[in-house]
Amino acid sequence: KAGVTQTPRYLIKTRGQQVTLSCSPISGHRSVSWYQQTPGQGLQFLFEYFSETQRNKGNFPGRFSGRQFSNSRSEMNVSTLELGDSALYLCASSSMAGVTYEQYFGPGTRLTVT
Amino acid sequence: AQKVTQAQTEISVVEKEDVTLDCVYETRDTTYYLFWYKQPPSGELVFLIRRNSFDEQNEISGRYSWNFQKSTSSFNFTITASQVVDSAVYFCALSGRDSNYQLIWGAGTKLIIKP
Repeated sequence: KAGVTQTPRYLIKTRGQQVTLSCSPISGHRSVSWYQQTPGQGLQFLFEYFSETQRNKGNFPGRFSGRQFSNSRSEMNVSTLELGDSALYLCASSSMAGVTYEQYFGPGTRLTVT
Repeated sequence: AQKVTQAQTEISVVEKEDVTLDCVYETRDTTYYLFWYKQPPSGELVFLIRRNSFDEQNEISGRYSWNFQKSTSSFNFTITASQVVDSAVYFCALSGRDSNYQLIWGAGTKLIIKP
């Protein structure tokens, strides 16, 4: 079974631009969660989607948004990038709704904002 | 509010030594879930264990064991006979109603196993 894939793996953007990251979950998994990992703040929950519906959202500004498609693939978008958005963005999938179940993580997208 | 504390920022041991990673949590919930994840240098978090608050039995999986003690709000992780491949950052996490069922992560403990 293929694991969680994330594209692109690395991205360099300029302050003020917007970016879209993609996540393909494990086949059959309908839950996709996103996390931001930075040296200063550690791992922080962004949001979770299940069957195309956002079930939960972390404490991030509205510049961070996401969506999930009917094939369970998910995208997250960050608009008006700030230097502080530089981070590793991790996507995780699960067969069950909610983050209280075992999650399978992708390798992440390393976003650098200059 | 929920909180997870991993006081050990970095631990370095020689291969074959036993090592314990500490995790202390805070929550007002009576029902909650605790997790350990491993993040090797590749960056991909790997699930190790999930434990709910009603199951205080210790668990052993090969060289890995977990000690859950509600009385001290701790969920410690021990690696027996450590190996170089165990080198990674290990995260403890907590989820429950108090956190709106979001995962609250500890800061992680970087484990270095020297050959």
